[in-house]
Amino acid sequence: RKEVEQDPGPFNVPEGATVAFNCTYSNSASQSFFWYRQDCRKEPKLLMSVYSSGNEDGRFTAQLNRASQYISLLIRDSKLSDSATYLCVVTRGSNYQLIWGAGTKLIIKP
Amino acid sequence: NAGVTQTPKFQVLKTGQSMTLQCAQDMNHEYMSWYRQDPGMGLRLIHYSVGAGITDQGEVPNGYNVSRSTTEDFPLRLLSAAPSQTSVYFCASQKGVTGELFFGEGSRLTVL
Repeated sequence: RKEVEQDPGPFNVPEGATVAFNCTYSNSASQSFFWYRQDCRKEPKLLMSVYSSGNEDGRFTAQLNRASQYISLLIRDSKLSDSATYLCVVTRGSNYQLIWGAGTKLIIKP
Repeated sequence: NAGVTQTPKFQVLKTGQSMTLQCAQDMNHEYMSWYRQDPGMGLRLIHYSVGAGITDQGEVPNGYNVSRSTTEDFPLRLLSAAPSQTSVYFCASQKGVTGELFFGEGSRLTVL
């Protein structure tokens, strides 16, 4: 079993819809959690950190469920420009080594 | 506004050849790292550095060497290329161990 698992998708979603995807992690000692976004054939870029209390940045909401060991990303009012692969990242150990999920591909259709 | 600069962007090698992927950052970050990205897999850490003169192995270090003689530069050397090293390589830098990662644009390497 992978340490960080994501549904690879693709999620095909009409513009304006709300979409959510989860990421599960196996190490209960993980301390920090992030969502990165990667456009096709580009480098990953930080979308948002995920805090225990949940956090929101505009149309994006991230939540952490420690009991069930997953993090989620919700995108409201999706735009064509949201089409990308979303990478879940979890830290392992006291040295904050990053463990990356393989990503969920999102395609927003007009 | 350079950030992290990687070269070359594309490279084709024959099995057994060696090469160096260059990485430079102008943000004065302490931490730098090299990842490889393969289809269906998450980014995997090859080597990392917590400062000039200090390097350590990541998850998949075999076949690669690194050095960090300056804060700015962190080259990755492939000693004897193998087809299994065909991948996209990303260099990243971050201000501290918990800081945001800033990536270079990637280097696409094909080993025949």
